[in-house]
Amino acid sequence: AQSVTQLDSQVPVFEEAPVELRCNYSSSVSVYLFWYVQYPNQGLQLLLKYLSGSTLVESINGFEAEFNKSQTSFHLRKPSVHISDTAEYFCAVDDNTDKLIFGTGTRLQVFP
Amino acid sequence: DTAVSQTPKYLVTQMGNDKSIKCEQNLGHDTMYWYKQDSKKFLKIMFSYNNKELIINETVPNRFSPKSPDKAHLNLHINSLELGDSAVYFCASSQGGVAYNEQFFGPGTRLTVL
Repeated sequence: AQSVTQLDSQVPVFEEAPVELRCNYSSSVSVYLFWYVQYPNQGLQLLLKYLSGSTLVESINGFEAEFNKSQTSFHLRKPSVHISDTAEYFCAVDDNTDKLIFGTGTRLQVFP
Repeated sequence: DTAVSQTPKYLVTQMGNDKSIKCEQNLGHDTMYWYKQDSKKFLKIMFSYNNKELIINETVPNRFSPKSPDKAHLNLHINSLELGDSAVYFCASSQGGVAYNEQFFGPGTRLTVL
């Protein structure tokens, strides 16, 4: 069965520092990959997704993720974080079953 | 304007009770979902409906019964509540399949079973 691993449950970082949130998935078949963000006491919002084409995808607020098929990874990065980026980040995969399989989440805590 | 709304936001109840959570979307989507997020933030799909028909049913106890009276609504009824049912339940909707169509999530319903 498909699974998603987010290796870091918490990532503390200072404001304006770079950050990487790691995500690995198990499937060797073609997959669609997603990052969702959950701000405190809110539902999830789509941050970015990879469906096909360029392996580097970007969001409107400065995050980017790179699909690496050989390493079955989809790590999320931002070169300079803001306090407002503090949230829970979820990696998810759809292996053509129309279901999103989520990782366990990474809490990004940005300190001033 | 709320795209996906859920009621109630908080629900506290005793073991053994029956309760319902309601979900409505005003996005015109044809597919709706229920997810359960446990205390460790793990999020898992429970059900999905497409045009009022059950598409996905993920090994959920039959105490959980989704009902979709129309495309815009997907309610979740839970019988004989147990302590382990305590979680945050999220409703979501999308137009068509997941991959090419973004899922929009509701704000969640925090269920506490005492």
